[in-house]
Amino acid sequence: DAKTTQPTSMDCAEGRAANLPCNHSTISGNEYVYWYRQIHSQGPQYIIHGLKNNETNEMASLIITEDRKSSTLILPHATLRDTAVYYCIVSYNTDKLIFGTGTRLQVFP
Amino acid sequence: EAQVTQNPRYLITVTGKKLTVTCSQNMNHEYMSWYRQDPGLGLRQIYYSMNVEVTDKGDVPEGYKVSRKEKRNFPLILESPSPNQTSLYFCASNTGTGEAFFGQGTRLTVV
Repeated sequence: DAKTTQPTSMDCAEGRAANLPCNHSTISGNEYVYWYRQIHSQGPQYIIHGLKNNETNEMASLIITEDRKSSTLILPHATLRDTAVYYCIVSYNTDKLIFGTGTRLQVFP
Repeated sequence: EAQVTQNPRYLITVTGKKLTVTCSQNMNHEYMSWYRQDPGLGLRQIYYSMNVEVTDKGDVPEGYKVSRKEKRNFPLILESPSPNQTSLYFCASNTGTGEAFFGQGTRLTVV
């Protein structure tokens, strides 16, 4: 599975958009990009995933570059409850997810 | 409600005393996994199962056993726990693609 690179930490003001980048330059053609988050020490929570096209759901949007070497997770209106560690994962499937150290997002009032 | 249930949530035990952490899912998923999470190391996969009676090692299987006799259950067994198995453990289930569901975690301390 491809390796991902994420910033260690980011801050975001409440109500503003949070844009979390991820580099995955060695991604293979049929590997998906998954995003999960972990609030404190709870179980990781699925956010969104995509292959080539941009995706949007009720939680977030996922923008994947045309060459698929990087992506951005967008939380359109961050709230204090979005404070968490966000993991970007590339994988063929979800039976084995390789979690890195993620990005610690701090949303402040 | 779709969920993965782990028990117990917290456990303190002594070295060498066999223990089992249970995991159950109500979504009829074929795939189930166990992860451990340690500070600075992130989540690492211990074992996974692709279906009943089909299991395989993940990245850190030493000291652990699993079984998958029924589709909904995937217990993690520590035959002889040691202090280096003190960790936060998560069970997960999924269909193979798309969303994986995680349990709330089991915090294990081995003294």
